[in-house]
Amino acid sequence: GQQLNQSPQSMFIQEGEDVSMNCTSSSIFNTWLWYKQDPGEGPVLLIALYKAGELTSNGRLTAQFGITRKDSFLNISASIPSDVGIYFCAGPGETSYDKVIFGPGTSLSVIP
Amino acid sequence: ETGVTQTPRHLVMGMTNKKSLKCEQHLGHNAMYWYKQSAKKPLELMFVYNFKEQTENNSVPSRFSPECPNSSHLFLHLHTLQPEDSALYLCASSQGLGQGPYNEQFFGPGTRLTVL
Repeated sequence: GQQLNQSPQSMFIQEGEDVSMNCTSSSIFNTWLWYKQDPGEGPVLLIALYKAGELTSNGRLTAQFGITRKDSFLNISASIPSDVGIYFCAGPGETSYDKVIFGPGTSLSVIP
Repeated sequence: ETGVTQTPRHLVMGMTNKKSLKCEQHLGHNAMYWYKQSAKKPLELMFVYNFKEQTENNSVPSRFSPECPNSSHLFLHLHTLQPEDSALYLCASSQGLGQGPYNEQFFGPGTRLTVL
């Protein structure tokens, strides 16, 4: 079945640093989603990407839909303490746009 | 606040207990979902309801029994659970199935379940 892999698994960075994380799949996805889960909360959608090569920003966050359709990248610039959380990539499954496959997540810690 | 509430936030139960998790959405959505989130594992979709009808059962054991009395409420009835069922159970809702390229799912805060 479809699976997503994320790297790195966890990151510890200094406040103010830029962050990069990625998501890869063995199969093609037509939509890429990036969610963030704050401690003690459910995931919240950050960015949705719909076209290969698309680059989309949301404040200090920028995500890209890989040309091969098998990967996506998320960058966070000038990190701040509230960026702490788990970042999940996700995409609709082959059989249904609403059966979303989630990656295992990248855990981000920001040291003030 | 995402417009999706879940109760209780924490639940500890024995293997012989029967309990229920409740989810309510105030967004006017028509589709609702149950996910299981275990440590170090991706979110696992359990059930999907669209307009109160179950459209997805992702091979979930029968000790988990969902109920969707209307589009705003979703329950997960639990009985004779195992310790490995301990996890965060997340509810989500979306506008409806098949109504666009992707319908954003709005998640509740989850119920942290511990089975002793």
